[in-house]
This record gives sequence, C-alpha cells and structure tokens, in this order.
Amino acid sequence: DVKVTQSSRYLVKRTGEKVFLECVQDMDHENMFWYRQDPGLGLRLIYFSYDVKMKEKGDIPEGYSVSREKKERFSLILESASTNQTSMYLCATGTSGIRETQYFGPGTRLLVL
Amino acid sequence: GQQVMQIPQYQHVQEGEDFTTYCNSSTTLSNIQWYKQRPGGHPVFLIQLVKSGEVKKQKRLTFQFGEAKKNSSLHITATQTTDVGTYFCAGPNAGNNRKLIWGLGTSLAVNP
Repeated sequence: DVKVTQSSRYLVKRTGEKVFLECVQDMDHENMFWYRQDPGLGLRLIYFSYDVKMKEKGDIPEGYSVSREKKERFSLILESASTNQTSMYLCATGTSGIRETQYFGPGTRLLVL
Repeated sequence: GQQVMQIPQYQHVQEGEDFTTYCNSSTTLSNIQWYKQRPGGHPVFLIQLVKSGEVKKQKRLTFQFGEAKKNSSLHITATQTTDVGTYFCAGPNAGNNRKLIWGLGTSLAVNP
C-alpha cells in the first residue's frame, strides 16, 4: 500500500510566521502535489512536482513556495503566513502517465491567528 | 478553461434509499476517476473509468462513463451510514495530464 505522511495533523501559527509543511511518500512516485481544501471550494492545486528539483505552479500558488530536494519528500512553505491561509492542506502523490491516480496524505489543518 | 462540474452539491437520504451523483466535463476526457472523502478524512481513490460507455461495479456502487467521455455518474444502491462522505470526480488536465481537474464534490448524508 502507498503510504503518504504529513508532518503535522494540526498546526497553529501567527500571522507573519514562516511555515513549513512536509510530505513524505514511500512508493517512489514521480509526481507530488499540494492542495488546499476549503468548504465549498473543493480541492485547489497549489503546486506540484514531477521530479526532484522540478516544480510547477498550480491554480493558487500566490503566497506559497515548494521544495523537492529528494524524490520522496515535498515541502510546502508559507513565506509569511496570513489568516486567509487558514485551511486544510493535503499532499498527494502519483505515478506518471495519462491514467495516473492520486494517493493522499491525512492532511494538515492549519490555523493562522 | 477546462471545468468539471458535479451535481448535486449536497444530498440527504434515508438509509436504504438510492443515491446518484453526476459529473460533467467541459472537454472530452481520456479517463475519469472517483474518490471518496469520509468526514475528517482525506480523499481515497475508488475507481477509474477509461472506455466510452464503460460501467463498473463495486458492491453497491455502480460507476458509468458516458459514450462521449464527457460525463460520468456514481450510483449507490440502498445507502448505508458507512456511505457518508464527499464523492469527487476528477479527470486529466488537457493541458498537462500530470494534473487532475476536480469536481467540487457531492456531500452525502445518510439518516439511520
């Protein structure tokens, strides 16, 4: 079974803090994704990576950056947290190919005060 | 831009009733995928449909992919409380098939 882990289930930060969310997968998948999920807005893609050191912007990259130094690890960085970044953050992985499916981590619920 | 729409947004049923959610894409899809997210949980892959007109079953769940490969449905027969959750459909992004385009999901509540 694919295992995707995220560094924290719950996180509380203050406005202006730098926040790191980490995701680790154990299945050697090429692709990794960061989504945020808000009520009524579904899953919105922030960034994704299809290889080490490679990244592409998703639909809502503003205020976020990412890092992928090793294949199994994909980090999401909030450079200066703001209250509108309070959300559920979900990491996902997937293999390459047109029939790729995605496997999600348990999520990190972030509250920015 | 490319969109995937799901209806209804919410559905409340009595246990034992049937339930259907519909997914419509603005573009032809090479495949469509369905995921389920339990309350407090994360999305979990259920199934992928690839062929035009394809029908697949998983116990009480029936998935269909339309002939034009632009729409899909998930039907649950005789719902149970374990079916509670949000059901998402998703298809490959036409511009970059590493990404998925997601519907907003249908939230199902089941009264025991």
